[in-house]
Amino acid sequence: QKEVEQDPGPLSVPEGAIVSLNCTYSNSAFQYFMWYRQYSRKGPELLMYTYSSGNKEDGRFTAQVDKSSKYISLFIRDSQPSDSATYLCAMSAGTGGFKTIFGAGTRLFVKA
Amino acid sequence: EAQVTQNPRYLITVTGKKLTVTCSQNMNHEYMSWYRQDPGLGLRQIYYSMNVEVTDKGDVPEGYKVSRKEKRNFPLILESPSPNQTSLYFCASSPYSGNTIYFGEGSWLTVV
Repeated sequence: QKEVEQDPGPLSVPEGAIVSLNCTYSNSAFQYFMWYRQYSRKGPELLMYTYSSGNKEDGRFTAQVDKSSKYISLFIRDSQPSDSATYLCAMSAGTGGFKTIFGAGTRLFVKA
Repeated sequence: EAQVTQNPRYLITVTGKKLTVTCSQNMNHEYMSWYRQDPGLGLRQIYYSMNVEVTDKGDVPEGYKVSRKEKRNFPLILESPSPNQTSLYFCASSPYSGNTIYFGEGSWLTVV
Protein backbone atom coordinates (compact mmCIF):
# COMPACT_ATOMS: atom_id res chain seq x y z
CA GLN A 1 0.00 0.00 0.00
CA LYS A 2 1.29 3.43 -0.93
CA GLU A 3 1.79 5.96 1.83
CA VAL A 4 -0.33 8.48 -0.09
CA GLU A 5 -3.18 7.47 -2.40
CA GLN A 6 -4.66 9.81 -4.98
CA ASP A 7 -7.06 9.01 -7.80
CA PRO A 8 -5.29 9.94 -11.06
CA GLY A 9 -8.53 10.80 -12.88
CA PRO A 10 -8.90 12.36 -15.34
CA LEU A 11 -11.70 14.45 -13.91
CA SER A 12 -13.70 16.49 -16.39
CA VAL A 13 -16.16 19.17 -15.23
CA PRO A 14 -18.04 22.08 -16.84
CA GLU A 15 -16.97 25.64 -16.16
CA GLY A 16 -18.46 26.95 -12.93
CA ALA A 17 -18.66 23.55 -11.23
CA ILE A 18 -17.39 22.84 -7.74
CA VAL A 19 -14.44 20.46 -7.91
CA SER A 20 -13.44 18.11 -5.12
CA LEU A 21 -10.00 16.50 -5.16
CA ASN A 22 -8.97 14.03 -2.48
CA CYS A 23 -6.11 12.05 -1.02
CA THR A 24 -5.87 9.43 1.67
CA TYR A 25 -2.75 8.54 3.61
CA SER A 26 -1.57 5.90 6.02
CA ASN A 27 1.15 7.61 8.08
CA SER A 28 -0.40 9.18 11.18
CA ALA A 29 2.79 11.21 11.72
CA PHE A 30 1.99 13.53 8.80
CA GLN A 31 1.29 17.05 10.05
CA TYR A 32 1.94 19.28 7.05
CA PHE A 33 -0.36 18.99 4.06
CA MET A 34 0.13 20.69 0.73
CA TRP A 35 -1.49 20.87 -2.66
CA TYR A 36 0.63 21.56 -5.71
CA ARG A 37 -0.71 22.53 -9.13
CA GLN A 38 1.12 21.45 -12.26
CA TYR A 39 0.30 22.85 -15.67
CA SER A 40 1.21 20.87 -18.75
CA ARG A 41 4.96 20.92 -19.43
CA LYS A 42 5.65 22.91 -16.27
CA GLY A 43 6.98 22.14 -12.81
CA PRO A 44 4.59 21.81 -9.85
CA GLU A 45 3.87 24.99 -7.87
CA LEU A 46 2.61 25.22 -4.31
CA LEU A 47 -1.09 26.09 -4.23
CA MET A 48 -2.20 25.50 -0.63
CA TYR A 49 -0.41 24.73 2.63
CA THR A 50 -2.11 23.49 5.81
CA TYR A 51 -0.76 22.49 9.18
CA SER A 52 -2.60 19.78 11.11
CA SER A 53 -6.39 19.45 10.89
CA GLY A 54 -8.94 22.01 9.78
CA ASN A 55 -9.78 24.18 6.82
CA LYS A 56 -7.89 26.85 4.96
CA GLU A 57 -9.41 29.11 2.35
CA ASP A 58 -7.69 31.16 -0.34
CA GLY A 59 -9.97 32.75 -2.88
CA ARG A 60 -11.80 30.01 -4.79
CA PHE A 61 -9.70 27.28 -3.17
CA THR A 62 -10.36 25.52 0.14
CA ALA A 63 -8.12 22.87 1.66
CA GLN A 64 -9.50 20.51 4.27
CA VAL A 65 -7.62 18.09 6.48
CA ASP A 66 -9.28 15.35 8.55
CA LYS A 67 -6.47 13.66 10.45
CA SER A 68 -8.83 11.27 12.23
CA SER A 69 -9.81 9.80 8.86
CA LYS A 70 -6.39 10.37 7.25
CA TYR A 71 -8.12 12.21 4.43
CA ILE A 72 -7.42 15.55 2.80
CA SER A 73 -9.42 17.47 0.22
CA LEU A 74 -9.05 20.42 -2.10
CA PHE A 75 -12.22 22.21 -3.22
CA ILE A 76 -12.29 24.58 -6.18
CA ARG A 77 -15.36 26.81 -6.42
CA ASP A 78 -16.53 28.37 -9.68
CA SER A 79 -13.99 26.35 -11.62
CA GLN A 80 -12.44 28.00 -14.68
CA PRO A 81 -10.76 26.55 -17.79
CA SER A 82 -7.53 28.03 -16.42
CA ASP A 83 -7.83 25.59 -13.50
CA SER A 84 -7.19 22.71 -15.91
CA ALA A 85 -4.02 21.12 -14.58
CA THR A 86 -2.74 18.20 -12.54
CA TYR A 87 -3.17 18.59 -8.80
CA LEU A 88 -0.76 16.76 -6.53
CA CYS A 89 -1.32 16.33 -2.84
CA ALA A 90 1.78 16.25 -0.67
CA MET A 91 2.43 15.71 2.99
CA SER A 92 5.21 15.66 5.52
CA ALA A 93 5.79 14.66 9.13
CA GLY A 94 8.09 17.59 9.83
CA THR A 95 9.56 20.72 8.38
CA GLY A 96 12.03 20.31 5.58
CA GLY A 97 11.07 19.67 1.99
CA PHE A 98 13.17 16.54 1.81
CA LYS A 99 10.61 14.65 3.90
CA THR A 100 7.66 15.37 1.60
CA ILE A 101 5.69 12.49 0.09
CA PHE A 102 3.64 13.18 -3.04
CA GLY A 103 0.47 11.64 -4.35
CA ALA A 104 0.33 10.53 -7.98
CA GLY A 105 -1.68 13.60 -9.01
CA THR A 106 -5.22 14.07 -10.36
CA ARG A 107 -5.62 15.43 -13.87
CA LEU A 108 -8.45 18.00 -14.02
CA PHE A 109 -10.12 19.35 -17.15
CA VAL A 110 -12.53 22.27 -16.88
CA LYS A 111 -14.59 22.66 -20.06
CA ALA A 112 -15.72 26.10 -21.20
CA GLU B 1 13.53 36.30 -9.79
CA ALA B 2 13.66 33.26 -7.51
CA GLN B 3 13.99 30.17 -9.62
CA VAL B 4 15.34 26.69 -10.17
CA THR B 5 16.94 26.31 -13.58
CA GLN B 6 17.63 22.97 -15.19
CA ASN B 7 19.13 22.10 -18.55
CA PRO B 8 18.64 20.65 -21.03
CA ARG B 9 14.84 20.89 -21.18
CA TYR B 10 14.58 18.27 -23.90
CA LEU B 11 17.07 15.54 -24.78
CA ILE B 12 17.07 12.39 -26.87
CA THR B 13 20.08 10.17 -26.30
CA VAL B 14 21.19 6.63 -27.00
CA THR B 15 21.61 3.77 -24.57
CA GLY B 16 24.92 3.90 -22.74
CA LYS B 17 25.92 7.45 -23.62
CA LYS B 18 26.69 9.32 -20.41
CA LEU B 19 24.74 12.50 -19.84
CA THR B 20 24.42 15.19 -17.21
CA VAL B 21 21.38 17.31 -16.41
CA THR B 22 22.39 20.51 -14.67
CA CYS B 23 20.38 22.25 -11.95
CA SER B 24 20.94 25.59 -10.31
CA GLN B 25 18.93 27.57 -7.74
CA ASN B 26 19.32 31.22 -6.76
CA MET B 27 17.44 31.15 -3.44
CA ASN B 28 20.31 30.00 -1.22
CA HIS B 29 18.33 26.90 -0.24
CA GLU B 30 20.06 24.18 1.71
CA TYR B 31 17.98 21.33 0.39
CA MET B 32 17.97 20.19 -3.24
CA SER B 33 16.48 17.12 -4.82
CA TRP B 34 15.85 15.30 -8.07
CA TYR B 35 12.55 13.65 -8.95
CA ARG B 36 11.33 11.68 -11.89
CA GLN B 37 7.68 11.80 -12.91
CA ASP B 38 6.06 8.92 -14.77
CA PRO B 39 2.38 8.40 -15.68
CA GLY B 40 0.46 6.77 -12.84
CA LEU B 41 3.48 6.80 -10.54
CA GLY B 42 3.66 10.48 -9.67
CA LEU B 43 6.81 12.14 -8.40
CA ARG B 44 9.46 9.77 -7.15
CA GLN B 45 12.55 11.05 -5.43
CA ILE B 46 15.86 9.97 -6.96
CA TYR B 47 18.45 11.67 -4.74
CA TYR B 48 18.47 14.56 -2.34
CA SER B 49 21.06 16.77 -0.72
CA MET B 50 20.83 18.46 2.65
CA ASN B 51 23.77 20.76 1.98
CA VAL B 52 27.14 20.95 0.24
CA GLU B 53 28.86 17.56 0.10
CA VAL B 54 25.86 15.87 1.79
CA THR B 55 23.76 13.66 -0.47
CA ASP B 56 21.52 10.66 0.09
CA LYS B 57 19.44 8.20 -1.89
CA GLY B 58 15.76 8.71 -2.44
CA ASP B 59 13.28 6.08 -3.52
CA VAL B 60 14.65 5.27 -6.99
CA PRO B 61 18.42 5.96 -7.05
CA GLU B 62 19.55 3.05 -9.26
CA GLY B 63 21.32 4.20 -12.40
CA TYR B 64 21.83 7.79 -11.23
CA LYS B 65 24.57 9.78 -9.55
CA VAL B 66 24.62 13.25 -8.05
CA SER B 67 27.11 15.66 -6.56
CA ARG B 68 26.79 18.84 -4.49
CA LYS B 69 30.05 20.75 -4.63
CA GLU B 70 28.41 24.17 -4.48
CA LYS B 71 25.28 25.17 -2.63
CA ARG B 72 23.50 26.44 -5.74
CA ASN B 73 24.23 23.49 -8.07
CA PHE B 74 23.04 19.90 -8.01
CA PRO B 75 23.69 18.03 -11.27
CA LEU B 76 22.12 14.67 -12.08
CA ILE B 77 24.37 12.20 -13.87
CA LEU B 78 23.27 9.18 -15.85
CA GLU B 79 26.49 7.18 -16.35
CA SER B 80 24.98 4.62 -18.73
CA PRO B 81 21.40 5.57 -19.60
CA SER B 82 18.89 2.85 -20.40
CA PRO B 83 15.42 3.09 -22.00
CA ASN B 84 13.71 2.63 -18.60
CA GLN B 85 15.20 5.99 -17.61
CA THR B 86 13.06 7.72 -20.22
CA SER B 87 11.07 10.12 -18.07
CA LEU B 88 10.34 13.69 -17.06
CA TYR B 89 12.89 14.89 -14.51
CA PHE B 90 12.48 17.72 -12.02
CA CYS B 91 15.08 19.42 -9.93
CA ALA B 92 13.79 21.08 -6.78
CA SER B 93 15.00 23.13 -3.84
CA SER B 94 13.64 24.01 -0.43
CA PRO B 95 14.80 25.95 2.60
CA TYR B 96 15.76 23.58 5.38
CA SER B 97 13.23 25.01 7.81
CA GLY B 98 10.31 25.21 5.38
CA ASN B 99 8.04 22.79 3.56
CA THR B 100 7.56 24.67 0.29
CA ILE B 101 9.37 22.95 -2.56
CA TYR B 102 10.37 25.00 -5.59
CA PHE B 103 10.57 23.01 -8.81
CA GLY B 104 12.39 23.62 -12.04
CA GLU B 105 10.58 23.54 -15.38
CA GLY B 106 11.45 19.90 -16.00
CA SER B 107 13.72 17.99 -18.37
CA TRP B 108 12.20 15.57 -20.85
CA LEU B 109 14.66 12.74 -21.38
CA THR B 110 14.26 10.00 -23.97
CA VAL B 111 16.73 7.12 -24.12
CA VAL B 112 16.58 5.04 -27.31
